[in-house]
Amino acid sequence: DTEVTQTPKHLVMGMTNKKSLKCEQHMGHRAMYWYKQKAKKPPELMFVYSYEKLSINESVPSRFSPECPNSSLLNLHLHALQPEDSALYLCASSQTGQGGYGYTFGSGTRLTVV
Amino acid sequence: GQNIDQPTEMTATEGAIVQINCTYQTSGFNGLFWYQQHAGEAPTFLSYNVLDGLEEKGRFSSFLSRSKGYSYLLLKELQMKDSASYLCAVRVDSGYSTLTFGKGTMLLVSP
Repeated sequence: DTEVTQTPKHLVMGMTNKKSLKCEQHMGHRAMYWYKQKAKKPPELMFVYSYEKLSINESVPSRFSPECPNSSLLNLHLHALQPEDSALYLCASSQTGQGGYGYTFGSGTRLTVV
Repeated sequence: GQNIDQPTEMTATEGAIVQINCTYQTSGFNGLFWYQQHAGEAPTFLSYNVLDGLEEKGRFSSFLSRSKGYSYLLLKELQMKDSASYLCAVRVDSGYSTLTFGKGTMLLVSP
């Protein structure tokens, strides 16, 4: 298995809703990431998990709450989002350590906040 | 912080060769990656350079000069399906490894 699987592919939610994005990989990667990508912009790093521990939080508002239940799963819990949070949310994973370890990206969740 | 620059758009003709440049300024540099991204899809890994020189992979080659903070992606024998955004990304290690992307170069291949 060489894929990162993200669900759902599309999500429309109201500003008072609570929803979760899910990400799963079975490549044995111990680093997992959440990126946010607006249209015609590059992906922007939100969170980094290394060995199931949150390593980096790039000043992301608390309405986004990440969770890493185990080495294969990564969730992003959403609550009280704003319309400007509408974007493509990408999950990625990689091996840790040195070397040419590119990130493997999931196909993303297209989120629309109404 | 990191500063990564690449051209916004480029156009080329099917069958031609195109070079997409990327310059970067960063601390803790530990590798440069090129990704291809079609509209509405996830980025896909193309190449990786950590030492100076050229890495060749089929129709794609990537070059790195660490002293100049410069890389390029060379695409040969262009095909229509190569129309996409090409993202230059720098890996920085400062305790933890992170990948920071440039703004991307939109390549349009015409017949």
